[in-house]
Amino acid sequence: RKEVEQDPGPFNVPEGATVAFNCTYSNSASQSFFWYRQDCRKEPKLLMSVYSSGNEDGRFTAQLNRASQYISLLIRDSKLSDSATYLCAVNGFGNAGNMLTFGGGTRLMVKP
Amino acid sequence: DAGVTQSPTHLIKTRGQHVTLRCSPISGHKSVSWYQQVLGQGPQFIFQYYEKEERGRGNFPDRFSARQFPNYSSELNVNALLLGDSALYLCASSSGTVNTGELFFGEGSRLTVL
Repeated sequence: RKEVEQDPGPFNVPEGATVAFNCTYSNSASQSFFWYRQDCRKEPKLLMSVYSSGNEDGRFTAQLNRASQYISLLIRDSKLSDSATYLCAVNGFGNAGNMLTFGGGTRLMVKP
Repeated sequence: DAGVTQSPTHLIKTRGQHVTLRCSPISGHKSVSWYQQVLGQGPQFIFQYYEKEERGRGNFPDRFSARQFPNYSSELNVNALLLGDSALYLCASSSGTVNTGELFFGEGSRLTVL
């Protein structure tokens, strides 16, 4: 089993739709969780951190479920510009530093 | 302000050759990490350096090595290249070792091994 797993998609949605992605992680000792966005042939960029209480940034909402070991990302009112690959990332299991374990990414395509 | 810069951006090598990839972090950042991203997959952690010391190593063979210089720039070296080493190599910088998840990635070095 992979340490961090995501549905690869692609998710094809119309503009204005609400779409949700889940990401599961295997190590219950993981402490920090993040969503990154990666445009085609570009580098990943941090979208948002995921806090235990859940957090929202505009149209984006991230949630953490420690009991079931998954994090989620909800995008409301999808825009064409949201088309990208969304990577979830979990801090290195039990280690210090910035070792992140990434999922394989979920591809989102927003259509007009 | 300059972001993370990597060189070269693209390179082609043949099996058995050696490659050196270079990275300059954001000014003021002391931590550099290297990731390998194979097409269609997420980035996979290779190394992290902080203050010129190795602070983390991923599950990669000894053919992979790295170092960090006094100016915090870094090199990733890969010896005896294999076809499977073809990937995008990403360098990321951060201000310290605290795991904030705020990694700033460079645009990467795209390596093709023939």
